[in-house]
Amino acid sequence: GENVEQHPSTLSVQEGDSAVIKCTYSDSASNYFPWYKQELGKRPQLIIDIRSNVGEKKDQRIAVTLNKTAKHFSLHITETQPEDSAVYFCAARDTGRRALTFGSGTRLQVQP
Amino acid sequence: EAGVAQSPRYKIIEKRQSVAFWCNPISGHATLYWYQQILGQGPKLLIQFQNNGVVDDSQLPKDRFSAERLKGVDSTLKIQPAKLEDSAVYLCASSPIKPGPNTEAFFGQGTRLTVV
Repeated sequence: GENVEQHPSTLSVQEGDSAVIKCTYSDSASNYFPWYKQELGKRPQLIIDIRSNVGEKKDQRIAVTLNKTAKHFSLHITETQPEDSAVYFCAARDTGRRALTFGSGTRLQVQP
Repeated sequence: EAGVAQSPRYKIIEKRQSVAFWCNPISGHATLYWYQQILGQGPKLLIQFQNNGVVDDSQLPKDRFSAERLKGVDSTLKIQPAKLEDSAVYLCASSPIKPGPNTEAFFGQGTRLTVV
């Protein structure tokens, strides 16, 4: 089955700096890669996703890049703000299983 | 649109007791998932339904966990008997129609279970 590894586990940045979170996956058949943000005690919420037919997608301060050859995808947050502080999860969909496999999460703290 | 509803929000039970969680997915969503999220980890799939049929329950500890989705709408997840290591947040999620490469999953608030 699919295995998703996520790094780093914690990330602290100053407000206004950029943050990058990286994930690798094992199943070359995976073709959908969402990123979820989870604030303390709340549900995971989708913030951006990318399909395998594109290499990059951007939505305001958030961007995701995908390298299918290397089985690697990354989340980039620019001009970070304190409200970006949360746990971020990457995930991959194995088309055979059709359910998301999640990474272990990155706790992002943005220092004001 | 209304989100995925789960209840209860919190539950504390003693080990060896039984517990049940309820989920009401977004209206019209054919696919329903139960995930277990242990503190500090990512959600792990327990079971996936499409309508009222099980698609994947390979990671469900069937000796103590059971789930059903009557009439292809609401779902219940039961643990009997509970163990200390079952302490976690149980997340229900749903996605529209048939799962495919372009459908996202919407999550409920989760049920935080503490087994003492």
